[in-house]
Amino acid sequence: DTAVSQTPKYLVTQMGNDKSIKCEQNLGHDTMYWYKQDSKKFLKIMFSYNNKELIINETVPNRFSPKSPDKAHLNLHINSLELGDSAVYFCASSHRVNTEAFFGQGTRLTVV
Amino acid sequence: AQSVTQLGSHVSVSEGALVLLRCNYSSSVPPYLFWYVQYPNQGLQLLLKYTSAATLVKGINGFEAEFKKSETSFHLTKPSAHMSDAAEYFCAVTLSTGNQFYFGTGTSLTVIP
Repeated sequence: DTAVSQTPKYLVTQMGNDKSIKCEQNLGHDTMYWYKQDSKKFLKIMFSYNNKELIINETVPNRFSPKSPDKAHLNLHINSLELGDSAVYFCASSHRVNTEAFFGQGTRLTVV
Repeated sequence: AQSVTQLGSHVSVSEGALVLLRCNYSSSVPPYLFWYVQYPNQGLQLLLKYTSAATLVKGINGFEAEFKKSETSFHLTKPSAHMSDAAEYFCAVTLSTGNQFYFGTGTSLTVIP
């Protein structure tokens, strides 16, 4: 069983479209994250949820909206996609906010 | 504020040689430190972690790291490199009271046969 699973793995879409990435964890963790990895491999936190409550919302355009329907899921919806949104997006989870994080396989988003 | 600095964005070693990947941290309170590995087109996998117990931490795949408070370092080592070690390695820091991880910029390890 995959501990943290993201879908889709690849996403190619046109500018201006709206898309969603889904994330599910079966580890029973309380905290979930979204990270963005750019073309230089730099990892930047976007959002963090603890028990379905948003605890971190870094400087991210409001076109990005996370949704956590329950502790096991944290989805990412992106409106009006731009070329600069092209990156790999990683979902992760941890037992608590300061314990090791387990990462999904990533979603490679390409905006054309 | 806390942060990590990884010296050397690219490191090349010969197969069988010592691997040394450097990580220095900045933190106003005792940190929790982690090393992650990322293989091509995959997510990050935890190699090892330091959470204020033993300063020498052993991880998976023969890797280990030593927490040195006086040097604010947490360097990753492996005595003998294997071809399968070629990957991107990330150092990360959080705090016991923190709510997120701060990642370094990564070090790409190449193993030369």
